Amino acid sequence: SAVISQKPSRDICQRGTSLTIQCQVDSQVTMMFWYRQQPGQSLTLIATANQGSEATYESGFVIDKFPISRPNLTFSTLTVSNMSPEDSSIYLCSVDRGDTQYFGPGTRLTVL
Amino acid sequence: SQQGEEDPQALSIQEGENATMNCSYKTSINNLQWYRQNSGRGLVHLILIRSNEREKHSGRLRVTLDTSKKSSSLLITASRAADTASYFCATALYSSASKIIFGSGTRLSIRP
Repeated sequence: SAVISQKPSRDICQRGTSLTIQCQVDSQVTMMFWYRQQPGQSLTLIATANQGSEATYESGFVIDKFPISRPNLTFSTLTVSNMSPEDSSIYLCSVDRGDTQYFGPGTRLTVL
Repeated sequence: SQQGEEDPQALSIQEGENATMNCSYKTSINNLQWYRQNSGRGLVHLILIRSNEREKHSGRLRVTLDTSKKSSSLLITASRAADTASYFCATALYSSASKIIFGSGTRLSIRP
């Protein structure tokens, strides 16, 4: 398995501001993934983050809105920029270990 | 976009009964994974079944996979109140095994 932590666990933010979410893994991994879960919905992949290269974004997600950093093999950040109430969601990071993906506890974001 | 659909969307059963959830997907897969999520918290990995497997067991869980029908089912036997949660299937695409795409989820409620 994998031990993954996220900070903050939750936050309430004002529209127009930005929030950076941190994801820490207990051992080195090649790829880290960021997901969004809107209220009452399933998880949608935002982007895949490889160390040493730019993140790969899924359709509907852009770097200006969700910049991602991957400075080393155990850490990544996701920034939600210029937030609006529609960005209120749970944001989760994950890693794959063998064939299995393991998820962090999530960051619950509320935008007022 | 979601790779698959799950049915039912919601299921309420009596404690002790069996619960069956179904997942259908669209494209060829490398493997399929089932996750549980309690009240908007992080995801717990339950079981993984590979594309060359047809059935897998883990404790009270039984998963089947029919690649010809592009469908999977999760059976929870002798349900308990603690099984109340949302259950998601997630498929690792044959073309990109590290990236998983989630189904729409089933909300399971166990009545005492």
